[in-house]
Amino acid sequence: GENVEQHPSTLSVQEGDSAVIKCTYSDSASNYFPWYKQELGKRPQLIIDIRSNVGEKKDQRIAVTLNKTAKHFSLHITETQPEDSAVYFCAASSLYNDYKLSFGAGTTVTVRA
Amino acid sequence: NAGVTQTPKFRVLKTGQSMTLLCAQDMNHEYMYWYRQDPGMGLRLIHYSVGEGTTAKGEVPDGYNVSRLKKQNFLLGLESAAPSQTSVYFCASSSIAGGPGIQYFGAGTRLSVL
Repeated sequence: GENVEQHPSTLSVQEGDSAVIKCTYSDSASNYFPWYKQELGKRPQLIIDIRSNVGEKKDQRIAVTLNKTAKHFSLHITETQPEDSAVYFCAASSLYNDYKLSFGAGTTVTVRA
Repeated sequence: NAGVTQTPKFRVLKTGQSMTLLCAQDMNHEYMYWYRQDPGMGLRLIHYSVGEGTTAKGEVPDGYNVSRLKKQNFLLGLESAAPSQTSVYFCASSSIAGGPGIQYFGAGTRLSVL
């Protein structure tokens, strides 16, 4: 099955700086890549997603890039703010696997004021 | 519009006891999922359903059973709870109309097995 690896496991950034989280996947058939944010004690919530026919997608301070050849995708957060502190999960899925999401282990992001 | 609702929110069991977790969604989604979340291990899929009356195994199905008798409900059962099943359980649902849809998560059930 699909195997998603996520790095780094923890990330500390100064407020206003950028944060980058990288994920790799193993199944070349995967074609949907969402990113979820989970605040402490809360449910995961989608912040951005990308499909395989697109190389980059941006939503305000958040962007995701996808390199299908290398089988990796990344989350970029610019101008980080204290409310960006959370655990971020990447995931991958494909039609051939009932669109089941395989999640990375998560990245704990801390934004220092 | 409540989205995805899980009951109960917290539960403490003794080893060997049984229980059922209920997930209900009001978005008319076809797909429903049960995950467990353990520290440092992300979310792991236990079982899922692609429609009423169907269920399938996920990554970590042992010790759990599920049923989807109605489209809006997805039940997760523990027949004989073990300490290794101490975890936070999340239910999610999604639509697949036109391709993969966003998975919406419930608030979670925190289960402790003593």
